[in-house]
Amino acid sequence: DSGVTQTPKHLITATGQRVTLRCSPRSGDLSVYWYQQSLDQGLQFLIQYYNGEERAKGNILERFSAQQFPDLHSELNLSSLELGDSALYFCASSVGLAAKVDTQYFGPGTRLTVL
Amino acid sequence: KNEVEQSPQNLTAQEGEFITINCSYSVGISALHWLQQHPGGGIVSLFMLSSGKKKHGRLIATINIQEKHSSLHITASHPRDSAVYICAAPGEGDKLIFGTGTRLQVFP
Repeated sequence: DSGVTQTPKHLITATGQRVTLRCSPRSGDLSVYWYQQSLDQGLQFLIQYYNGEERAKGNILERFSAQQFPDLHSELNLSSLELGDSALYFCASSVGLAAKVDTQYFGPGTRLTVL
Repeated sequence: KNEVEQSPQNLTAQEGEFITINCSYSVGISALHWLQQHPGGGIVSLFMLSSGKKKHGRLIATINIQEKHSSLHITASHPRDSAVYICAAPGEGDKLIFGTGTRLQVFP
């Protein structure tokens, strides 16, 4: 158990819908990262928050948005869903803000299926 | 060409064998992560290293920053080591870039 929690575990929805994925980091961790893992693309970095502020952005679609709240939990919002958005979404947390020095602890993931 | 490449893509072994998974990267980095993804999908961080060698139980990771190459070794492999092993390097803007993974199956 990494100490990172994600809800829900599974989500099945229809095209055009909007969903919210939730992540609670390990106690004491200030950084939250969101990743997408699809069958054809592998793991891809979406976005990072550090202590409530957006710090880095990857290949995140404009239909996706995220935020980190004062209690440090984070939400990833996916809207106007398409079939291609079906994937595993992971969040990870770390103490600091640098991927080159900090170990990241991964949550169990949310499996999103868009029908 | 991917910035982070792993080999082999698939690996099968008999229990007890010594296993090596390789990771090469074209980005200029100062550290590299090794992750393990279980069949159920969960990801565990195994190592983060910036030089030399790290060891944890039967797992050993080495890195050569100048040659842009890292290896993950598993000694005395066991069926419970069956998983996908992924290396990742911080690229531009310190964003992690992932390799495509090596699927390892260890048979009893």
